[in-house]
Amino acid sequence: DIQMTQSPSSVSASVGDRVTITCRATQGFSSWLAWYQQKPGKAPKLLIYAASSLQSGVPSRFSGSGSGTDFALTISSLQPEDFATYYCQQANSFPLTFGGGTKVEI
Amino acid sequence: QVQLVESGGGVVQPGRSLRLSCAASGFTFSTYAMHWVRQAPGKGLEWVARISYDGNDKDYADSVKGRFTISRDNSKNTLFLQMNSLRAEDTAVFYCARDGIAAARSAFDIWGQGTMVTVS
Repeated sequence: DIQMTQSPSSVSASVGDRVTITCRATQGFSSWLAWYQQKPGKAPKLLIYAASSLQSGVPSRFSGSGSGTDFALTISSLQPEDFATYYCQQANSFPLTFGGGTKVEI
Repeated sequence: QVQLVESGGGVVQPGRSLRLSCAASGFTFSTYAMHWVRQAPGKGLEWVARISYDGNDKDYADSVKGRFTISRDNSKNTLFLQMNSLRAEDTAVFYCARDGIAAARSAFDIWGQGTMVTVS
């Protein structure tokens, strides 16, 4: 099974900050990686798929990068609505697995 | 609009069974693979099971293999999760999710609102 490790587990930031979250896999794969945003009491929302493709309707301040074992999600200028928990997920092989999450706090 | 609505959650005793349903609307259900994903209270996301668009292929997390069964009825646009031999550690919000296509395959592009299952 591919294990996904996110870091940091939490980050404190301010509106306007640039924030980068990383995700490391125990086995390398090409670009089958997705990123999700989840707000309290809500279902997750797909932000990025195929490591760097922006899901329709997602603001362009979100971007994804990486391949192999190391991936990153960057928020270029943090907005008030971006305070949430973010998860990476490998879509390369079953069982599909998620990272442990990164909480972005004010 | 594209929508997934789960139902069937509740409180159940350990060892008992429960069946979850997920009603799909706003898209051609029969052409998409579907998944169940769960989230224990205060914890992260855990993928549970996946079924192909036609129901012929199924995959499960090790934690539920042999106890849970995913199925679908394309004539009724509905996804199911039959959960047997439930354990306390199965307590979670269960989400159904649509599989992305092409470059987004095995990512989850549409989610339901979730249904809570409490095993106690």
